[in-house]
Amino acid sequence: SQTIHQWPATLVQPVGSPLSLECTVEGTSNPNLYWYRQAAGRGLQLLFYSVGIGQISSEVPQNLSASRPQDRQFILSSKKLLLSDSGFYLCAWSSKGPGKAFFGQGTRLTVV
Amino acid sequence: AQSVTQLDSQVPVFEEAPVELRCNYSSSVSVYLFWYVQYPNQGLQLLLKYLSGSTLVKGINGFEAEFNKSQTSFHLRKPSVHISDTAEYFCAVNDKRGGSNYKLTFGKGTLLTVNP
Repeated sequence: SQTIHQWPATLVQPVGSPLSLECTVEGTSNPNLYWYRQAAGRGLQLLFYSVGIGQISSEVPQNLSASRPQDRQFILSSKKLLLSDSGFYLCAWSSKGPGKAFFGQGTRLTVV
Repeated sequence: AQSVTQLDSQVPVFEEAPVELRCNYSSSVSVYLFWYVQYPNQGLQLLLKYLSGSTLVKGINGFEAEFNKSQTSFHLRKPSVHISDTAEYFCAVNDKRGGSNYKLTFGKGTLLTVNP
């Protein structure tokens, strides 16, 4: 069966520090991968979307970047965190086609 | 591109009462619709989905939704809610991006609070 792992679950980082959140998927190949950010009252905002290794689409301009070094690995990064980067970050995967997405348990990032 | 509107940000109800959470989407040729539930500090779980076929879709935990093409709606309903249904609910639509690739777009969510 397929599973998705996202870590860490919580993270407190100072302003200006770097960030690396990792997401891996097991039990499937060539998935579409997503990074979403959730802020209170704003739903889920799609940050990055990847259909294959090295293929990243950025949905909104921001202080973050994403990489897909391997088929089932998706990394969210920042060189210097801002206070506004605080939020709940969710990784997800889906098969090709219009089917459902599967979500990780999320990372609560607090920038102080 | 698709968009999703959830008209109610918060819906408080009493236990055992019926509930309807509203969702409208922007029109498109092919529509694939979803409802997800999120419990506090957790990821999202799929409640139900509409890809094709019957417009009345039944999901987990007694929820159902009806796809109404003329009204571009996909409202979520439950005839009798429980305290444990307290959660945030997200409506989503899949948007074709080219080939077999789709992007899942979410509404802003509706916080359902079930009171005793």
